[in-house]
Amino acid sequence: SQQGEEDPQALSIQEGENATMNCSYKTSINNLQWYRQNSGRGLVHLILIRSNEREKHSGRLRVTLDTSKKSSSLLITASRAADTASYFCAGLSGYSTLTFGKGTMLLVSP
Amino acid sequence: DGGITQSPKYLFRKEGQNVTLSCEQNLNHDAMYWYRQDPGQGLRLIYYSQIVNDFQKGDIAEGYSVSREKKESFPLTVTSAQKNPTAFYLCASKVTSSNQPQHFGDGTRLSIL
Repeated sequence: SQQGEEDPQALSIQEGENATMNCSYKTSINNLQWYRQNSGRGLVHLILIRSNEREKHSGRLRVTLDTSKKSSSLLITASRAADTASYFCAGLSGYSTLTFGKGTMLLVSP
Repeated sequence: DGGITQSPKYLFRKEGQNVTLSCEQNLNHDAMYWYRQDPGQGLRLIYYSQIVNDFQKGDIAEGYSVSREKKESFPLTVTSAQKNPTAFYLCASKVTSSNQPQHFGDGTRLSIL
């Protein structure tokens, strides 16, 4: 079963614009994580937000978490062509296993 | 450099054959995971192991088997019982603390001849 569902499925923007991706999940979580995947590669961890946190920043990334709505958002500011990738949210429900969404494909055009 | 190494990068299997995908990590992580990714889909958990000589089934374990004889290694065997094995397989590891991320290898793409 998929824990997270990202929205939109695909997003196309110009360099310099901001990109916002949303994630909804079904069950209670201990934390929510965002990962990035370049085509044909493994996933790279971007940011982790705990269930008692509401917002977290890391460089050009901003993540919010609303546990009452079971939703999270990832904002990438001042996007670059190198940000082109798929982005996945994943919820940790127990203490050891993540459940991933289907991802958002982001295309940043120069 | 510490990391996770998956091999081979591409693997081809004939009908009825078992194949084994390798995953090795030198991060000293206790927990290791195997995921399957189909086109346009997220990752689905096949098996995971939190300690040597112990492993648990994930959401889609049927047709797969694993072993965890060493901390560094968590090989995945795709058996002939897996009817649709063509997919991208990803291995990951992490420390046991729940608020730590998983670290991923670069995957093995398995295709049926």
